[in-house]
Amino acid sequence: KQEVTQIPAALSVPEGENLVLNCSFTDSAIYNLQWFRQDPGKGLTSLLLIQSSQREQTSGRLNASLDKSSGRSTLYIAASQPGDSATYLCAAGGATNKLIFGTGTLLAVQP
Amino acid sequence: ETGVTQTPRHLVMGMTNKKSLKCEQHLGHNAMYWYKQSAKKPLELMFVYSLEERVENNSVPSRFSPECPNSSHLFLHLHTLQPEDSALYLCASSQDPTGAGELFFGEGSRLTVL
Repeated sequence: KQEVTQIPAALSVPEGENLVLNCSFTDSAIYNLQWFRQDPGKGLTSLLLIQSSQREQTSGRLNASLDKSSGRSTLYIAASQPGDSATYLCAAGGATNKLIFGTGTLLAVQP
Repeated sequence: ETGVTQTPRHLVMGMTNKKSLKCEQHLGHNAMYWYKQSAKKPLELMFVYSLEERVENNSVPSRFSPECPNSSHLFLHLHTLQPEDSALYLCASSQDPTGAGELFFGEGSRLTVL
């Protein structure tokens, strides 16, 4: 059974700092790994999708990496801004439409 | 309208009420999903519809009844709910019904059961 863990649960950084959010999963037989952002009381916004055959994806200041053999993914945020404050969720995609989510990392970027 | 739209955004109901949540996707996707998000817990997959056929029912109590009349619309019918069913209910869609595709979410329906 796939389990997804995100560490840390919460993170506070000063504006301008580069930061890394971690995601680990127990079953390496995944189709993809997806990172989402969730603002309070809102739905999830897809940030990056890494297919199982890929090692990383980049979008603007965001870079996500995937290491299936070690069961890890990281989300790197460069030059963080207060607008980046949100909960970041990772999810491992497997067979039969199942996307298994972690509990998220709550990020606060202090101005 | 673009993306995935959910209504109502907020719903308060008693334990004996019957209500429905509605989801509509304007992305031309083939698969639609209901997820439940409770405080301090990971998102839980409830139901999956692929090409209007239910392909996943993740041990959800029968007081939750999904309906997918066409590939663009998904409903979640609610009946005799319990206070512990209070949560954010999220609808999502994807182009690839096998699970390998990117998932797009709506804003959610915040449900409170009194």
